[in-house]
Amino acid sequence: NAGVMQNPRHLVRRRGQEARLRCSPMKGHSHVYWYRQLPEEGLKFMVYLQKENIIDESGMPKERFSAEFPKEGPSILRIQQVVRGDSAAYFCASSPYPGVNRDGYTFGSGTRLTVV
Amino acid sequence: DQQVKQNSPSLSVQEGRISILNCDYTNSMFDYFLWYKKYPAEGPTFLISISSIKDKNEDGRFTVFLNKSAKHLSLHIVPSQPGDSAVYFCAARRETSGSRLTFGEGTQLTVNP
Repeated sequence: NAGVMQNPRHLVRRRGQEARLRCSPMKGHSHVYWYRQLPEEGLKFMVYLQKENIIDESGMPKERFSAEFPKEGPSILRIQQVVRGDSAAYFCASSPYPGVNRDGYTFGSGTRLTVV
Repeated sequence: DQQVKQNSPSLSVQEGRISILNCDYTNSMFDYFLWYKKYPAEGPTFLISISSIKDKNEDGRFTVFLNKSAKHLSLHIVPSQPGDSAVYFCAARRETSGSRLTFGEGTQLTVNP
C-alpha cells in the first residue's frame, strides 16, 4: 500500500521557467492538500483540492501558481516563471475524507525545488 | 502573523531522559492540535493529537498536554531515544476551516546516546 507519492523528489529550474510538481494520493484518498516549507520555516498551507474541484486556495500566491486534481491522474502544482523566492520544499498530503481529523493527514516526501 | 509558535529552534537531551517540546498559539478558534515528526528529506509524519476539550492525551512514550487558558501545549517524550532525533512540528486546526493546518516553525530534537 503505497503512501502519498510525489515526484520529482528534486527539481532544478532556471528563473523564468515553469515547474510542475506531481502528487499521487494514497489509494482511496480523494482529498489533496499542498503545503510549502521555506528554509527555516514551518509548513504553510497553499491549497486544498478534491477530484476536479478546488475547495480552498486561500494560501496560494495570486499570480504564477495554480493547482489541479483531475478526474484521472495525479494532482499537479504548477509554478510559472519561477523566481528564486520559489525555492522551497513542497509537500502534498491526502486524506480519505474532507479536512483534518485527529489522525491528521498523510504527507508525501516532498519535492525540493531549487531555482537558479 | 505567526499564530502558532515554537520558540525553541533546538533541544538536546540525553538518552533515557525526558524531552519537552513547547508550542504557543494565539488563535482561540483552534480546536485541534497535532504534533508531527520530520526526518531530513522526508515528509512530516503524524505523531499525536489533542482536542481542545481535553488537557492531556497519551500514546506510549508520547504525551501531549494542553493549557487552554495559557494557549500553550507541550509534547513530552519519555524515555527519549536516539531514534527520536528529528524536527518536531506543532500544528493547529481551526474549526471553521477544518481542511488546513497552521504549523509552527519546528524544534530540532537531538537525543544523545
